[in-house]
Amino acid sequence: KAGVTQTPRYLIKTRGQQVTLSCSPISGHRSVSWYQQTPGQGLQFLFEYFSETQRNKGNFPGRFSGRQFSNSRSEMNVSTLELGDSALYLCASTTGGAGELFFGEGSRLTVL
Amino acid sequence: GENVEQHPSTLSVQEGDSAVIKCTYSDSASNYFPWYKQELGKRPQLIIDIRSNVGEKKDQRIAVTLNKTAKHFSLHITETQPEDSAVYFCAASTGGTSYGKLTFGQGTILTVHP
Repeated sequence: KAGVTQTPRYLIKTRGQQVTLSCSPISGHRSVSWYQQTPGQGLQFLFEYFSETQRNKGNFPGRFSGRQFSNSRSEMNVSTLELGDSALYLCASTTGGAGELFFGEGSRLTVL
Repeated sequence: GENVEQHPSTLSVQEGDSAVIKCTYSDSASNYFPWYKQELGKRPQLIIDIRSNVGEKKDQRIAVTLNKTAKHFSLHITETQPEDSAVYFCAASTGGTSYGKLTFGQGTILTVHP
C-alpha cells in the first residue's frame, strides 16, 4: 500500500511569487490535512479537507488556500510569498474518522 | 483554541535509562492524544495514542498516561536505546470531525547516549 506522496519535495521561490504543493493520500483515505513545520513555531495546522470540502481551518492568512479533488488528492497554494513562509509543508491523510494521521515526507519551501 | 505545552524541550539520557515527556492541554473538549516520533529528515510517525476514556496505554517499551482532571498526559519510554533518539511531539484533538486537526506541542529532542 503506497504511503502519502507529496510533490515537489524541494522548491525555491522568491518573495511575491506563488506556489502550489500537491498531496496524494493513501488509497481509501478521504481526509487530507496540511501542516506547516518550522524550527520556531513547530507543527501548525493549516487546514483539513474531507470529501472535497474544507472541514477545519487553522489560523493562517488568506494567502494560504487549498482544495481537494474527487479522487481525494489535495493541493495547497500560497500566494504572495513572504520570507517567513519558508518551511516544511507536511500533508497527512486519514480515513476521516477516528484514526492515525499518516504523514508524507513533506515539501520543503525556501523563499528568497 | 486549543493550546498544548510540552516539556522538556531537550532530554538527554543514557542507554537503558527511562525517559519521560510531559504535555498539558487547555481545551477540556479534547479527547484524543497521539504521540509522534520524527527522526531527522523524516516524516512524523505515530508511536502511540490514547483516548479520553482510558487512563493508561502501553505498547512494549512505550506507555502513555492521561489525567483528564489535570489536563495533562505523559509519554514514558523504558530501557531506552540509541535508535529512540528523535524529536517527539505530543498532540491533542477534539475528535469527531476534527481528527485531522491536531494541535501539537513544541517537541522534545531526545538523545540516547550509548
